[in-house]
Amino acid sequence: SAVISQKPSRDICQRGTSLTIQCQVDSQVTMMFWYRQQPGQSLTLIATANQGSEATYESGFVIDKFPISRPNLTFSTLTVSNMSPEDSSIYLCSVEGTSGGSDTQYFGPGTRLTVL
Amino acid sequence: GQNIDQPTEMTATEGAIVQINCTYQTSGFNGLFWYQQHAGEAPTFLSYNVLDGLEEKGRFSSFLSRSKGYSYLLLKELQMKDSASYLCAVRDRNAGNMLTFGGGTRLMVKP
Repeated sequence: SAVISQKPSRDICQRGTSLTIQCQVDSQVTMMFWYRQQPGQSLTLIATANQGSEATYESGFVIDKFPISRPNLTFSTLTVSNMSPEDSSIYLCSVEGTSGGSDTQYFGPGTRLTVL
Repeated sequence: GQNIDQPTEMTATEGAIVQINCTYQTSGFNGLFWYQQHAGEAPTFLSYNVLDGLEEKGRFSSFLSRSKGYSYLLLKELQMKDSASYLCAVRDRNAGNMLTFGGGTRLMVKP
């Protein structure tokens, strides 16, 4: 299984500022995924990040708001730009892996963001 | 697109059995996953079904019927620590094999 760490674990930010979230994996992975989980809601995929290419964004998410970097096979960053209170959420990094012979996705511990 | 439905909340008693249902509609079904998520924590993988039938892992079992677009997660001998949200997720090969998550079922286990 993959071990995923995220920084920061939580932050409180002012409206209009930006925050960059880091995701580090203990093994090389092709694809890394960024999800958002708003309070009391399930997970929504923001984008898929492949090393060496532009991230692929899901409907409702754009690069200007959520720029992503993927400089190598073990690391990615997600920036939440020009934040508003509606961006208050948990942001989760995820990678594919296998468990007991089954393929699955593993999740990092998440970054809890509060925008005032 | 995909449509994944599961009950919002369930309550059960310690030691009992509970079944959490999930129905889905997808054009290119390529696997169904169940995750457990405790409050304030990341989701953890529980089970994966891609063929019809029952997969058993200790106290947890997951069932899939592809023809009915239906799955359930069965939790036996409930413990207080099983109080958590349970997320059903479907992978669609027509959507780049991405996972789409249901809204989650919040399970409360009472003494």
